[in-house]
Amino acid sequence: DTAVSQTPKYLVTQMGNDKSIKCEQNLGHDTMYWYKQDSKKFLKIMFSYNNKELIINETVPNRFSPKSPDKAHLNLHINSLELGDSAVYFCASSQVVGGAFPRYFGPGTRLLVL
Amino acid sequence: DQQVKQNSPSLSVQEGRISILNCDYTNSMFDYFLWYKKYPAEGPTFLISISSIKDKNEDGRFTVFLNKSAKHLSLHIVPSQPGDSAVYFCAASGNTGNQFYFGTGTSLTVIP
Repeated sequence: DTAVSQTPKYLVTQMGNDKSIKCEQNLGHDTMYWYKQDSKKFLKIMFSYNNKELIINETVPNRFSPKSPDKAHLNLHINSLELGDSAVYFCASSQVVGGAFPRYFGPGTRLLVL
Repeated sequence: DQQVKQNSPSLSVQEGRISILNCDYTNSMFDYFLWYKKYPAEGPTFLISISSIKDKNEDGRFTVFLNKSAKHLSLHIVPSQPGDSAVYFCAASGNTGNQFYFGTGTSLTVIP
C-alpha cells in the first residue's frame, strides 16, 4: 500500500490557469508537508500542517493555498500559474510536530507551466 | 541562502567498496541531521539520522558521522551494492523543529 500518494503525477498547463494537487497519507500521521524541488534540485518547505492546522508557512506567494480537509489529506491549490511555478512538488508526512521531520514522501507531482 | 550543501553532484563506486557521501552546513544551531535516498520518479525516503549530541550513528551498512566543529557530516555505505544507486540528500533541522533544510543531492552509482 502506498503510504503517501499524490495526484496527478504530471501536470502540464498554461500560464494563468488554476490547478490543484492532492495528497493523501494512510499512515495515521499528524503532520503533513508540501515541498517544492526547483530546477537546482533544492527541496524547500512550503507548508506544514498538524491535525489540519497550519504550522509552517514559508515565504510562498499567496497564489498557493493549502487546504487540509482532514489530517490524512493536504491539498495544494495554485492560482494564476506562472512559468516559475514549474517544479516538482512533493507531499510528505511525519508522526509528530515540533522536532518532527518528514519521514515519508509522496512520489512527486511534476508541474510544467507553459 | 544555501544552509546545507552537498558539493559533489555525483559519485561512482565499485560494488563491494565503500561509498562516502559528504554534506556541509553553515548554521551551528542545527541539532538534527538526516539522510534521504531517492530513486527516479519516487519521493525521498528517510534513511538514517543523527542528533547533534552524537558523532556517529550506525544502521546496518549505513553509518552517519557528524563533525560539529567542522559543520560536516558524511554517510558511509559499506559494502556498496548496485541497489544503492540513487540520489542521496542530506538535511538539517533547527532546534525549533519547524525549519528543515535539504542539500541538493549527490547521485550515487554503484558499478557491478
